Amino acid sequence: DQQVKQNSPSLSVQEGRISILNCDYTNSMFDYFLWYKKYPAEGPTFLISISSIKDKNEDGRFTVFLNKSAKHLSLHIVPSQPGDSAVYFCALTFGNEKLTFGTGTRLTIIP
Amino acid sequence: KAGVTQTPRYLIKTRGQQVTLSCSPISGHRSVSWYQQTPGQGLQFLFEYFSETQRNKGNFPGRFSGRQFSNSRSEMNVSTLELGDSALYLCASSPGTGTGGNEQFFGPGTRLTVL
Repeated sequence: DQQVKQNSPSLSVQEGRISILNCDYTNSMFDYFLWYKKYPAEGPTFLISISSIKDKNEDGRFTVFLNKSAKHLSLHIVPSQPGDSAVYFCALTFGNEKLTFGTGTRLTIIP
Repeated sequence: KAGVTQTPRYLIKTRGQQVTLSCSPISGHRSVSWYQQTPGQGLQFLFEYFSETQRNKGNFPGRFSGRQFSNSRSEMNVSTLELGDSALYLCASSPGTGTGGNEQFFGPGTRLTVL
């Protein structure tokens, strides 16, 4: 069963606007949540993370929101830039090094 | 600080053969995890090694195995290759000494093609 879902396989956003990527999960045991960005032929690059004791974490243009009751995670990028075009994965873990990845969302920033 | 390195970057094998992939973690990192990425299944966790011991394991058959050396370098082996093993194999390292929350840093991957 798919414990972590990213329901939008792709998303197109105008440059300068806000990009919102979403991630839903089923297992309430997850206690640490990460976002990775991936370009073709490269490994995923860590972007930002949040622990289950928080509901928001901000780093520059990137903000991650966690709604534990809804089992929902989102990544906001504002303002969006052409270099943000990539595939974004949410990754969840509970107490160990095993990451459970979402299915990915391909973000395209339109100049 | 050098990143995670993986060798080789590309590999072509035939069914029935076996293959060994190598990963060198970031200096000071003691945990190495392996993932398989395929178009149909996304990124799937294979196993994690910490201090030369397998600490976590995913749901892959016994044909997939690994090991870690005293310098934290890790190898992954796949025996009796099948067509479905064609994938990008990613290695990730982290300090590994805390509870969940150690961000993992990925290498560029090894692209394995099985013919």
